[in-house]
Amino acid sequence: GAGVSQSPRYKVAKRGQDVALRCDPISGHVSLFWYQQALGQGPEFLTYFQNEAQLDKSGLPSDRFFAERPEGSVSTLKIQRTQQEDSAVYLCASSLATRANYGYTFGSGTRLTVV
Amino acid sequence: SQQGEEDPQALSIQEGENATMNCSYKTSINNLQWYRQNSGRGLVHLILIRSNEREKHSGRLRVTLDTSKKSSSLLITASRAADTASYFCATDASGSNYKLTFGKGTLLTVNP
Repeated sequence: GAGVSQSPRYKVAKRGQDVALRCDPISGHVSLFWYQQALGQGPEFLTYFQNEAQLDKSGLPSDRFFAERPEGSVSTLKIQRTQQEDSAVYLCASSLATRANYGYTFGSGTRLTVV
Repeated sequence: SQQGEEDPQALSIQEGENATMNCSYKTSINNLQWYRQNSGRGLVHLILIRSNEREKHSGRLRVTLDTSKKSSSLLITASRAADTASYFCATDASGSNYKLTFGKGTLLTVNP
């Protein structure tokens, strides 16, 4: 596709519910990133995929967060037993390069609200 | 954790004026990037400056980098109402060549 597509755009979850957020990167982009952006803050790194391999998951806040990219294209970020502190915008980005020497292309994000 | 720190946190100017935003960072870097984020949208890449460059231009944008002071500035000349957005600097630490670390951003408001 022409850009990075994320779905849903908005998600309201009851505390304790599981959610799954989807990211369709630009076709052929090797690198895929998930970021979490709290209100009024900059994006915070969650995890990085190079093709289907998850090379860095150091930013995942807890073991309730899980990400996958099984075929090296579409990625899913899953949050189990959601908590109020999980409320944020979740941004996906992709890049043709494996190094941050080119700009990333970001999706519009999924705004998650946990009530 | 946030690597960069933008200054000011918020800036309000009139259309036609220039806007300058600053960014400071903590560790050595390979490059520094600036992104724009309109309300409720994703980030858009504006410009990248490498650690061996001191200044770069793109249209109405001018970016400077001072690695000795670990700081960068973004200048938007002849601002327009459509430039209203949050602006973030992002760095890749030399030891991690794929991960970008963002600052908290500067909210720029350009009044018509």
